[in-house]
Amino acid sequence: GAVVSQHPSWVICKSGTSVKIECRSLDFQATTMFWYRQFPKQSLMLMATSNEGSKATYEQGVEKDKFLINHASLTLSTLTVTSAHPEDSSFYICSATGSHPGGNGYTFGSGTRLTVV
Amino acid sequence: LAKTTQPISMDSYEGQEVNITCSHNNIATNDYITWYQQFPSQGPRFIIQGYKTKVTNEVASLFIPADRKSSTLSLPRVSLSDTAVYYCLVGLSGGSYIPTFGRGTSLIVHP
Repeated sequence: GAVVSQHPSWVICKSGTSVKIECRSLDFQATTMFWYRQFPKQSLMLMATSNEGSKATYEQGVEKDKFLINHASLTLSTLTVTSAHPEDSSFYICSATGSHPGGNGYTFGSGTRLTVV
Repeated sequence: LAKTTQPISMDSYEGQEVNITCSHNNIATNDYITWYQQFPSQGPRFIIQGYKTKVTNEVASLFIPADRKSSTLSLPRVSLSDTAVYYCLVGLSGGSYIPTFGRGTSLIVHP
């Protein structure tokens, strides 16, 4: 089945530094990837949608200069949290869709727990 | 995009059947209904998808009435490991919509 690998699974960084999260589709070409953020006891909130080779489309209220998304290939998208602050601490999840080998069309990564200290 | 409404939480006991209902009154003609399961600190996992009537796989059944304004996820004989949050999503099949998550239903299975 379709597999999306997300790394790292957790990261702790100092305030003011940048953190990069990778999302890879292992066995299919991901034409579109989605990035979500999830705070404790809350649902997934869509941050942005990215199509391979195009600029990401950000949801209202999400700072595109702070959350840099790159989708340069059909198998890799990255989310960089720039100048991270404690309020950016959250659980970040990617999802990919494309030439899926079966399934419902969407596969989610395992998530990245970001803690900014 | 069709909005969904689910109970915030449910409790059950091991071995019981659990039915979680989702309301989607403004579902569009071409929309499918998809359910996901999410454990703490993990990404959502696909459970089942359907368009109408009944769909069954190895882990769950999905019941959809004729008017398609609601759907029910049925988990037979739940175990402690079924404790999770369950999300109902509505949209086009085949990866042609943006998965938007509602609040989901937190299911707690007790011994």
